[in-house]
Amino acid sequence: KAGVTQTPRYLIKTRGQQVTLSCSPISGHRSVSWYQQTPGQGLQFLFEYFSETQRNKGNFPGRFSGRQFSNSRSEMNVSTLELGDSALYLCASSLEGRLVEETQYFGPGTRLLVL
Amino acid sequence: DAKTTQPPSMDCAEGRAANLPCNHSTISGNEYVYWYRQIHSQGPQYIIHGLKNNETNEMASLIITEDRKSSTLILPHATLRDTAVYYCIVRVRNTGNQFYFGTGTSLTVIP
Repeated sequence: KAGVTQTPRYLIKTRGQQVTLSCSPISGHRSVSWYQQTPGQGLQFLFEYFSETQRNKGNFPGRFSGRQFSNSRSEMNVSTLELGDSALYLCASSLEGRLVEETQYFGPGTRLLVL
Repeated sequence: DAKTTQPPSMDCAEGRAANLPCNHSTISGNEYVYWYRQIHSQGPQYIIHGLKNNETNEMASLIITEDRKSSTLILPHATLRDTAVYYCIVRVRNTGNQFYFGTGTSLTVIP
């Protein structure tokens, strides 16, 4: 079974621009979560989507948004990019995301550099 | 989620067992212990998880103390490819599908 895929793998943007990242979960997985990883803050939860609805949200500004499509694929968008948004953005999928014993599987990440 | 404490770094000789400790003294009875690892700039890789019984899979063994306040991840025969940051996560039941990653342990396997 194919793993979680993320596109693009690398991205360079300038301040003020906006960016869209894409995530395709493992086949059959309906929950998709997004994380941001920076050297200073480590891995931080952004939000989770299930059945095209945002189910959980971390402590990030409204510039960070996402959506999920009927095939469970998900996108996240960051508007008005700031230098501090430079990070590795990780997507993780799980079956339903309801049970604490349900494992999340991570994609390779998208590395975003904001200049 | 219960807070976890891990040593920031460890070394292990290639071919030897790597024993990575994790303290989770505030763990509750319904909280699972998960281990992931992250090789530089890649996505975290799931290793193993458990509730109260010791667990073993093809990658590692997880030993959880009887009081569940600590656990040890064991890589039985460490290889250079096991060099990574290892995260111990305690996950609460029914609190949403999010993992709280701490700072982890940077394991270096030495030839």
